[in-house]
Amino acid sequence: AQSVTQLGSHVSVSEGALVLLRCNYSSSVPPYLFWYVQYPNQGLQLLLKYTSAATLVKGINGFEAEFKKSETSFHLTKPSAHMSDAAEYFCAVSVNYGGSQGNLIFGKGTKLSVKP
Amino acid sequence: DTGVSQDPRHKITKRGQNVTFRCDPISEHNRLYWYRQTLGQGPEFLTYFQNEAQLEKSRLLSDRFSAERPKGSFSTLEIQRTEQGDSAMYLCASSPFRDGNSPLHFGNGTRLTVT
Repeated sequence: AQSVTQLGSHVSVSEGALVLLRCNYSSSVPPYLFWYVQYPNQGLQLLLKYTSAATLVKGINGFEAEFKKSETSFHLTKPSAHMSDAAEYFCAVSVNYGGSQGNLIFGKGTKLSVKP
Repeated sequence: DTGVSQDPRHKITKRGQNVTFRCDPISEHNRLYWYRQTLGQGPEFLTYFQNEAQLEKSRLLSDRFSAERPKGSFSTLEIQRTEQGDSAMYLCASSPFRDGNSPLHFGNGTRLTVT
């Protein structure tokens, strides 16, 4: 079975500091991985996705993520945090077998706070 | 592309009442998904449709829940005899499914409160 684990339910950084949100995955086959962001009382917005074309994936709003097979990780980073980055971030893996292919399994999320 | 639309945004109901939510996907997206999200958790899969066919239902979807997607367009999710444990955000998503790489596009959700 496939799964993702997000380490740290809450991360707090100062404005301008590096953002690092951790995600580890479990999959017996090459995974498709996604990061989504959710602002309060809204749905989820796609930040970026890993498709095996490149291990370093660039997304919207200055975020990027690096796929490391040896570490089964897909951590999300941003060099300099902005107040508008405060939100909840979800890592997800796409089910890639059988009739469930395409369905997403989400982590529990990491809430990012940005201090002025 | 007007995005995925969900109605209503908020619903407050008394325990035991029935509620129905509507989702309008992005046009021509063949897949439509329903997820449930409770406080402090990631979205949990409930069910999905490929066109008008409901292809999978999670064990979370008890027999009080039913979903339809007539003619492969909009979808409805009905909860009968609501319970307080049904209080959650119900998210709809659609995708132009080709393979597992196709991202899901989410609506803003319907927040259900059962009193």
